[in-house]
Amino acid sequence: AQSVSQHNHHVILSEAASLELGCNYSYGGTVNLFWYVQYPGQHLQLLLKYFSGDPLVKGIKGFEAEFIKSKFSFNLRKPSVQWSDTAEYFCAVNASEGLTGGGNKLTFGTGTQLKVEL
Amino acid sequence: KAGVTQTPRYLIKTRGQQVTLSCSPISGHRSVSWYQQTPGQGLQFLFEYFSETQRNKGNFPGRFSGRQFSNSRSEMNVSTLELGDSALYLCASSFQSSYNEQFFGPGTRLTVL
Repeated sequence: AQSVSQHNHHVILSEAASLELGCNYSYGGTVNLFWYVQYPGQHLQLLLKYFSGDPLVKGIKGFEAEFIKSKFSFNLRKPSVQWSDTAEYFCAVNASEGLTGGGNKLTFGTGTQLKVEL
Repeated sequence: KAGVTQTPRYLIKTRGQQVTLSCSPISGHRSVSWYQQTPGQGLQFLFEYFSETQRNKGNFPGRFSGRQFSNSRSEMNVSTLELGDSALYLCASSFQSSYNEQFFGPGTRLTVL
């Protein structure tokens, strides 16, 4: 079945620690990959996206992600987190598989709640 | 450019009633998608509209429906509300027709009593 898996549901880090959040998907065909963030009380915002080309993509606020096609993974990283990074992070896939007429349909992972402590 | 707007932001209904939620996409965006967000099920795709036509549909019962107008504004309707329909309903718009990033609105928080 088509799915997106985020393995870490809750992560607690101290400021300046490094972050890596895992994301795996099970889709064939062309995939476009996204990480969205939802800060407390705010709406979903795009952190970064991968469509094609360089598998290492950089997003806003110092976040980056690496697409590894052979592992069906798109892990999110940040070298040094800040207290303001406390939020929920969602990996999402927009896949051509199952969209015979094209379209924009995101399948989300279950989310990772990140708490950064001072 | 103004972002995606959704009205109302909060809504309280009782079981059996129906509800209509509205979404105005970013100017120039023709694709509008709806998602339901709950603590138990996470973010789930409801349907997508493009040029006034429903293009994709998720696995929700027929009580959930939607439409899109010629100005790309969209509405979704839920009939015969159930307690389990309590959720945050998110609208997202996209500029290009396929496989593109989506911009999300703040959502409508629906509570069914």
